Amino acid sequence: QITLKESGPTVVRPTQTLTLTCSFSGLSLTTSGVGVGWIRQPPGKALEWLAVIYYDDFHRYIPSLRNRLTITKDTSKNQVVLTMTNVDPVDTATYYCVHRPGGEDWFDPWGQGILVTVSS
Amino acid sequence: QSVLTQPPSVSAAPGQKVTISCSGSSSNIGNNYVSWYQQFPGTAPKLLIYDNNKRPSGIPDRFSGSKSGTSATLGITGLQPGDEADYYCGTWENSLSGWVFGGGTKVTVL
Repeated sequence: QITLKESGPTVVRPTQTLTLTCSFSGLSLTTSGVGVGWIRQPPGKALEWLAVIYYDDFHRYIPSLRNRLTITKDTSKNQVVLTMTNVDPVDTATYYCVHRPGGEDWFDPWGQGILVTVSS
Repeated sequence: QSVLTQPPSVSAAPGQKVTISCSGSSSNIGNNYVSWYQQFPGTAPKLLIYDNNKRPSGIPDRFSGSKSGTSATLGITGLQPGDEADYYCGTWENSLSGWVFGGGTKVTVL
């Protein structure tokens, strides 16, 4: 059984850097094709894919946020970390960590999510 | 504004059928698989349909998916009160080299 859980600050000040950690079990980020990604959802709004990192360290970012995002993995800790620089109130959202099975274009399962509020 | 277009809401009486459309283009739905996710208030989305029309284990066959050209459809038959949720379609977008989602559709059981 695969589980993922997000952790990090729930309140961040504007212009600061947000660091979120995804701790997972039941999957190996050394298995060919496997990826772990991040998807966010502003309150009352739709889902937005942000980033993904694969078993071989290859990563992708949503183009509109590419210059603000960094995704890394620590396979020894079974963790993936997403950092977002220069946050703004529009970045207020629930951030989900997701598993992307090898070679597939869907996400399952999802973490429970963490609501991050950007406010001064 | 989402890349994929879904109706904001659909509704039907218990036992009836609803369909949710997801409209895209050749750079996303037209050349890639579509997945669907079910989200209850305050909870994380859950995979409902993958590869256009496949159901993960545990998903009732009341839920079905199809794709034609640049559009996809989620169908729910035998509607139950417990089906009230938001439903999102998603797929790969070639021009972004990333995933995109629809704006979500709220299903209401009358």
